[in-house]
Amino acid sequence: KNEVEQSPQNLTAQEGEFITINCSYSVGISALHWLQQHPGGGIVSLFMLSSGKKKHGRLIATINIQEKHSSLHITASHPRDSAVYICAVRKNTGNQFYFGTGTSLTVIP
Amino acid sequence: NAGVTQTPKFQVLKTGQSMTLQCAQDMNHEYMSWYRQDPGMGLRLIHYSVGAGITDQGEVPNGYNVSRSTTEDFPLRLLSAAPSQTSVYFCASSKWDGNTEAFFGQGTRLTVV
Repeated sequence: KNEVEQSPQNLTAQEGEFITINCSYSVGISALHWLQQHPGGGIVSLFMLSSGKKKHGRLIATINIQEKHSSLHITASHPRDSAVYICAVRKNTGNQFYFGTGTSLTVIP
Repeated sequence: NAGVTQTPKFQVLKTGQSMTLQCAQDMNHEYMSWYRQDPGMGLRLIHYSVGAGITDQGEVPNGYNVSRSTTEDFPLRLLSAAPSQTSVYFCASSKWDGNTEAFFGQGTRLTVV
């Protein structure tokens, strides 16, 4: 059983669409991270959340600690948003990270 | 401030060869870790360290060795490469405090033939 589940696995959108990626987790956490990985590229951190909501440009991340669920929203999507988005949680005992399998997003012009 | 520096970016090995993947960070982070990324699977923890002189096994440690002689460096050694170790490897670092950001290296694409 995976500690972190993401959906959908793959997502294709038209430029300008509003996009939502979901993440559910089953362990107690100290923080949840949203990461971005471009094809053949490294992994960069987009957000770190322990409660509530954060916004950075067109990206919004929310977390509901009680429901153990987080969402990543992209408003007015653009082809440069095409990447794999990974949800990761840091367990509150042992401090280890657990990763979802990622959501591959393709935004078509 | 270079962040996490991981080398090499690409490597091809023959079965049975050994090699070391280098990882260095300049942020004085206590927690460093190595992951492998395989198609259809999330990043899986190989080994981690919570400080100099302290290392521990993760989910998939077999065939790999690590050491942490300094806070900055956390090399990953492949003792005798096998085709099953063909993967993309990432090093990451963060402060020990669980409520802090994680930083990742650029990744190493390793092929074992």
